[in-house]
Parts: sequence; C-alpha cells; structure tokens
Amino acid sequence: NAGVTQTPKFQVLKTGQSMTLQCAQDMNHEYMSWYRQDPGMGLRLIHYSVGAGITDQGEVPNGYNVSRSTTEDFPLRLLSAAPSQTSVYFCASSYSTGGTVEAFFGQGTRLTVV
Amino acid sequence: GENVEQHPSTLSVQEGDSAVIKCTYSDSASNYFPWYKQELGKRPQLIIDIRSNVGEKKDQRIAVTLNKTAKHFSLHITETQPEDSAVYFCAASRAGRRALTFGSGTRLQVQP
Repeated sequence: NAGVTQTPKFQVLKTGQSMTLQCAQDMNHEYMSWYRQDPGMGLRLIHYSVGAGITDQGEVPNGYNVSRSTTEDFPLRLLSAAPSQTSVYFCASSYSTGGTVEAFFGQGTRLTVV
Repeated sequence: GENVEQHPSTLSVQEGDSAVIKCTYSDSASNYFPWYKQELGKRPQLIIDIRSNVGEKKDQRIAVTLNKTAKHFSLHITETQPEDSAVYFCAASRAGRRALTFGSGTRLQVQP
C-alpha cells in the first residue's frame, strides 16, 4: 500500500515551459487536492476534486490546470511556468467519515522556475 | 471563504516544558479542526483533530481545545521532547466541504 505518490520529487523549469506534476493514490479515496507550500504562508489549496470527472478551483488556481479521469490519478499542469510558481507542491487524498476529513499527503515536489 | 490565523510563527521551549499554539478561524460554519505536524523535508501528517461538538480531546502528550463561541482552537503539547521539533499547522473545514484551510504554521524548537 503506497498511499499517495508524487513525481517528480524535484524539478527545475525555465520561465514559459510547461510540465505536469503527477499524483496517484491507491486508497480508493474520492477526494483529492493540490496544495502549494510557501515560507510563512502555510498550505494553500490550488485545485481539488470530489471524484472522477469533477474538479473545482481552490484558493490560488491561476496558472494551473487539473483533470481527474480516474479515481487514482490527479495530475497538476503548469501551462506556462512563472518564477512566482516556485514552491513545494503537495498532493493529498482524503476520506471523510462522521464529519472528519483526514488528508494523506504525498512526499511533495520541489519546483524551481528560473 | 474561511480564513485561519495561527500564532506564534516560531516557538522555542526547553525540553520538558509545555508548548501552546493557537489558531482562530473566521467561518462559523466550520466544524472540523485538524492539526498536522511536518518534520523538515517531510510531508505533513495528521497528529490530532477535533470536531465542533467536542470541547477538548487528548492523546497522550498532546491535546486540542476548541472554543466555538470565540472561534479559536489550540494545540497543547506537554513534556516536550526534542523529537517534537517540527512545523505544526492548524486547519479548518466546514460540513459538506472536504477542503482544508490551513494556518500559516508554527515552527516549534525544543531545546535539549
């Protein structure tokens, strides 16, 4: 049982390049989300999905696209990378029971845009 | 939307002392409040949580208290140990919405 797996762990992009951060989970969780973590700002929600075929914007969606074709996978696409997107990105999958929401995080992707 | 404020941003204590981290939230509909611990270079992991129908919850050396009227909740760590050194995040979510809104984090340093 791998949990939540993110690839790659590290990436350097040039301004204007595009790339996809991969996220896969094997816990059959319906809910998946992407966060970015910047110093002093905690974790901010980029996009989330409540099930295959359903996605929605979070707090900081600009510059990012997502899709959810399967329960397991939730890739995050950067269409035209900018230095402001330099950050650590975490994917999470969650289950909800009895009013609680436990989020399981991937190991993170450290992205640098130069 | 929800806004969660967390204080202090850094906290240094001596081994064996207690540590308290406080959070306030803005959305009165929020009903679930988890705390995550993130060690250096690692992923955040859930350490304790509380629902709005409960005022306090304890798990060994950690406890969380919730004041719904004042819209604030706190993490208490007793008998701190060096391995408690990490960044701690509070979060909040509202019923029917699984997205978590996080505080900005507290870096706890436990001095041996």
